[in-house]
Amino acid sequence: GNSVTQMEGPVTLSEEAFLTINCTYTATGYPSLFWYVQYPGEGLQLLLKATKADDKGSNKGFEATYRKETTSFHLEKGSVQVSDSAVYFCALSPANTGNQFYFGTGTSLTVIP
Amino acid sequence: GAGVSQSPSNKVTEKGKDVELRCDPISGHTALYWYRQSLGQGLEFLIYFQGNSAPDKSGLPSDRFSAERTGGSVSTLTIQRTQQEDSAVYLCASSFQRGGHNEQFFGPGTRLTVL
Repeated sequence: GNSVTQMEGPVTLSEEAFLTINCTYTATGYPSLFWYVQYPGEGLQLLLKATKADDKGSNKGFEATYRKETTSFHLEKGSVQVSDSAVYFCALSPANTGNQFYFGTGTSLTVIP
Repeated sequence: GAGVSQSPSNKVTEKGKDVELRCDPISGHTALYWYRQSLGQGLEFLIYFQGNSAPDKSGLPSDRFSAERTGGSVSTLTIQRTQQEDSAVYLCASSFQRGGHNEQFFGPGTRLTVL
């Protein structure tokens, strides 16, 4: 079946620290992979995506590389800011099964000054 | 409209009452999803509509929950005889199928509080 497993939170980092949030997936075929972010009091919004193996999605200083060999899509940022405090969700959309999405449970990140 | 809209933004109801939550997807989007997000929890899939196909209702937690999508556009999620454990934020999302690159666009959610 299809599923997403992501790192348990909460994660607390100091400003300018390096961030990694792990995400691994189980899927048949070649899914598309996504990271969504939910800022406090706001709805979910797409942060970045990758649609095939070895693709790197990037946005706002965040990056994630689609690794088929390790079935992973880890989110990284070299230097976090207080404004990055949010909940991050990893998700996949399987190929050839319409638009169904599978979300991870979310990882809460708090960045302190 | 520019994005997915949901109404009401907040709903407070008494236990045992019925509630209806509305979602207006982005025009032209063929797929519509409902999720539930309880405090501190991830997204719980509820139901998924794709075009004219029969909806995927596999995530609905009980027969008190139902949803419909009229004319392939607006959707209504109905919760009958609400219980306190139904309190959550209900999120709607829509997407336009284009191969496997299907980004979901989320609405702001409806926060439901059952007293």
